[in-house]
Amino acid sequence: NAGVTQTPKFQVLKTGQSMTLQCAQDMNHNSMYWYRQDPGMGLRLIYYSASEGTTDKGEVPNGYNVSRLNKREFSLRLESAAPSQTSVYFCASSELGAYTDTQYFGPGTRLTVL
Amino acid sequence: AQSVTQLGSHVSVSEGALVLLRCNYSSSVPPYLFWYVQYPNQGLQLLLKYTTGATLVKGINGFEAEFKKSETSFHLTKPSAHMSDAAEYFCAVSERRGSTLGRLYFGRGTQLTVWP
Repeated sequence: NAGVTQTPKFQVLKTGQSMTLQCAQDMNHNSMYWYRQDPGMGLRLIYYSASEGTTDKGEVPNGYNVSRLNKREFSLRLESAAPSQTSVYFCASSELGAYTDTQYFGPGTRLTVL
Repeated sequence: AQSVTQLGSHVSVSEGALVLLRCNYSSSVPPYLFWYVQYPNQGLQLLLKYTTGATLVKGINGFEAEFKKSETSFHLTKPSAHMSDAAEYFCAVSERRGSTLGRLYFGRGTQLTVWP
C-alpha cells in the first residue's frame, strides 16, 4: 500500500496563476482532509470531506476550493494564487472521520507563490 | 473553542537524556488527544493517542504520554533520547461537539534536537 500520495512535491507559481494539488489514498478511507503548514503555526485545516460527495470548510478556506472526485481522490485548487498561500500543503485521510480516528498524512507539497 | 498550547518551540537534549515535551489543551468536553511526529521533509505520523481508559498511553519508539485532566495536560516523555528522535512533534486535540466528523486542532509544534 502506498498510503496517501500527493502530487506535485514542489511547485512555484506566479501571483494570479492557478493550480490543482492532487491527493489520493489507497486505504479505503471515508474521510479526507487538506491542511497547510506554516512555520510556527502548526497545521491548519483548509477543507475536509467526511465522505464521498461531501466537502466542508475548515479554519482557513479562503482562496481555495476542493473536489472529492471519488472515494480515493481529494484535490485542492488555488484559483488565483497569492504570496500568502506560500506554504507546505498536506493531505490526510482517516477511516471513518471519527473523533478517535488516526489521520494518515501524505508527504506534502511545497508551494511557493512569487 | 478548543486550543492546544505546546510550551517551548525548541527543545534540546543530549543523547540518553530524558525527553519531555509539554502540551496543554483547553476543552469544555472530554478531549481526545494525539501526538504526531514529523521527520524532515516528511508528512506527520501518529506517535500515540488517548481516547478513553488508561491515562498513561504508550506509543511507538519508546514514547509515552499521560493524560491529566486536572492539569489539562498531555505531556510526551521518553526516558532516553536517541539521535533518531530528532524531529518536530505536534500535539493535537479533537472533541465531540455536535458534528460527526473528528477534526484535529494542532499545537504549533516543538522541534526536538538531540546532541551526541
